[in-house]
Amino acid sequence: NAGVTQTPKFRVLKTGQSMTLLCAQDMNHEYMYWYRQDPGMGLRLIHYSVGEGTTAKGEVPDGYNVSRLKKQNFLLGLESAAPSQTSVYFCASSRSLNTDTQYFGPGTRLTVL
Amino acid sequence: GQQLNQSPQSMFIQEGEDVSMNCTSSSIFNTWLWYKQDPGEGPVLLIALYKAGELTSNGRLTAQFGITRKDSFLNISASIPSDVGIYFCAGTGGTSYGKLTFGQGTILTVHP
Repeated sequence: NAGVTQTPKFRVLKTGQSMTLLCAQDMNHEYMYWYRQDPGMGLRLIHYSVGEGTTAKGEVPDGYNVSRLKKQNFLLGLESAAPSQTSVYFCASSRSLNTDTQYFGPGTRLTVL
Repeated sequence: GQQLNQSPQSMFIQEGEDVSMNCTSSSIFNTWLWYKQDPGEGPVLLIALYKAGELTSNGRLTAQFGITRKDSFLNISASIPSDVGIYFCAGTGGTSYGKLTFGQGTILTVHP
């Protein structure tokens, strides 16, 4: 039981390049989330999903797209990376949306030059 | 959107000392959560609070859900070096129902 895993762990991009971050969970959770963490700002929700095939915008969705084709996977895409997207990205999952515990992955550190 | 103000931003303490940190909100939350993040890791849930006035302990950690539902605090007693990390409060409810809003975090350093 690996919990929540993220790939890659580190990535460096040039401005304008694209990439996809992969999140996988083996807990059969319905709900999955993508956050970004920046110094002094805590974690901010980018997008989330309430089930396979569904996605919704969070607090800071601009510049990102997501897909949830399989229940266990939640992908975060950057179509044209910008330096402002340099951050640490965390994926999380939970059984339910309202009050249940969110389990976090180890994070992906992304640098955009 | 809803915001949480967490304080202090950082703390430097001696091993054995007690620690207290808190979070306040401009709006009501239905759930308060406290997470700890170790360097290079994702946040891990420490304590979850679901009712106003609730006081919950987890080992040396104690957290309370404020009566007004707009605040929460976390106490750590007899700190040890492995308590080092970033502590986040998070809440859900009100206009952000179902989605966690995080505080800015408190960076805790414990000197042996």
